[in-house]
Amino acid sequence: GQSLEQPSEVTAVEGAIVQINCTYQTSGFYGLSWYQQHDGGAPTFLSYNALDGLEETGRFSSFLSRSDSYGYLLLQELQMKDSASYFCASAGTGGFKTIFGAGTRLFVKA
Amino acid sequence: DAGVIQSPRHEVTEMGQEVTLRCKPISGHNSLFWYRQTMMRGLELLIYFNNNVPIDDSGMPEDRFSAKMPNASFSTLKIQPSEPRDSAVYFCASESGGTSGLTGANVLTFGAGSRLTVL
Repeated sequence: GQSLEQPSEVTAVEGAIVQINCTYQTSGFYGLSWYQQHDGGAPTFLSYNALDGLEETGRFSSFLSRSDSYGYLLLQELQMKDSASYFCASAGTGGFKTIFGAGTRLFVKA
Repeated sequence: DAGVIQSPRHEVTEMGQEVTLRCKPISGHNSLFWYRQTMMRGLELLIYFNNNVPIDDSGMPEDRFSAKMPNASFSTLKIQPSEPRDSAVYFCASESGGTSGLTGANVLTFGAGSRLTVL
């Protein structure tokens, strides 16, 4: 089976850096994805790691360690608009079955 | 591209009624997913299709739920009879073909969702 664990809430101040961790247990692990969801909206894709290491996309970076079954999303220069829920997700056996973690609610304060 | 299109956006119905949710995936995407989102249970994968074939429906909660994908451009999720505990936002998502080796990106594009309220 597949399961992903992430913190339920994180609070940070504008301009700061925040890291959202994700640990996973999956069979036939392919890679780890991150999605952002604003209240009332749909999840939107942010980043994907298939290999160990860091992937950088503007203010957002994502890291994966396959040996530790662990990844994180790093958000830099936080802005108020970054207040949202962030989900890690993994594609398992066959590369298709995509399971989401419970989500981390990020609150950015002024 | 118009993205993934879902209808209806909102549905309010009474317990016992049949509900049909519809999804049009992005053209050329050959994987389609149905998710249900609630505060208590988060984003649950209900079923997914690849090339119009249901691959895994283990997330479908009960026999009251059924899903079809008669062609590459249309899928339905049906609940019959509906119950108040089915109230949730139902998302459809499509993907270009799953991961292709370790370097392939697994990117799902979600529709806007269908918010279902069963009274």
